Amino acid sequence: AQKVTQAQTEISVVEKEDVTLDCVYETRDTTYYLFWYKQPPSGELVFLIRRNSFDEQNEISGRYSWNFQKSTSSFNFTITASQVVDSAVYFCALSPRRGWETSGSRLTFGEGTQLTVNP
Amino acid sequence: GAVVSQHPSRVICKSGTSVKIECRSLDFQATTMFWYRQFPKQSLMLMATSNEGSKATYEQGVEKDKFLINHASLTLSTLTVTSAHPEDSSFYICSAALRLGGGTDTQYFGPGTRLTVL
Repeated sequence: AQKVTQAQTEISVVEKEDVTLDCVYETRDTTYYLFWYKQPPSGELVFLIRRNSFDEQNEISGRYSWNFQKSTSSFNFTITASQVVDSAVYFCALSPRRGWETSGSRLTFGEGTQLTVNP
Repeated sequence: GAVVSQHPSRVICKSGTSVKIECRSLDFQATTMFWYRQFPKQSLMLMATSNEGSKATYEQGVEKDKFLINHASLTLSTLTVTSAHPEDSSFYICSAALRLGGGTDTQYFGPGTRLTVL
């Protein structure tokens, strides 16, 4: 069984602060994929990143960075110099590897972290 | 790229009526689409997996006869809530799976449909 835990239900920061959203996962698969999605107040989930379990390199994209540590089963997300527009619910998700002949990979979502960035 | 549309964005209906929600992948073909339900301040709950040309696979506890799913083409899946009741009021979200290299898919989500049943 797969499980994703986002222990932080709500986080509130002041603009320009750095903030880290935690994600811990459980899986028996040796190969899997991790995702982060952003859900702003409008409701649409926006894809942020996909990471293969073989690739433990950290990734940076502008103000966003991700720290994947297989040893602790964590895939944390850091926003540097936060902005009001970053206010949203952020979901971490996990999916197994599938062969090309099988149907689309299911996502197991965490409960989400509500981030509020105050001016 | 990887844009998914959903229509309507909001619908209000009377109890007992049926409502159809469309999900389209606009710039890619999606062999698999997913339907989720989300309650306020909660995570997404997978309702069913829809594969083009075959019957949908429903999650445990989801009524097949109540939530009819049709995936007629590689770019269109529909969810019909039949004989809707107030407890069916929710935010329904679809996603379309884009198959990239590496043996897994990335799901791209539609903007969601807010259903209110009076």
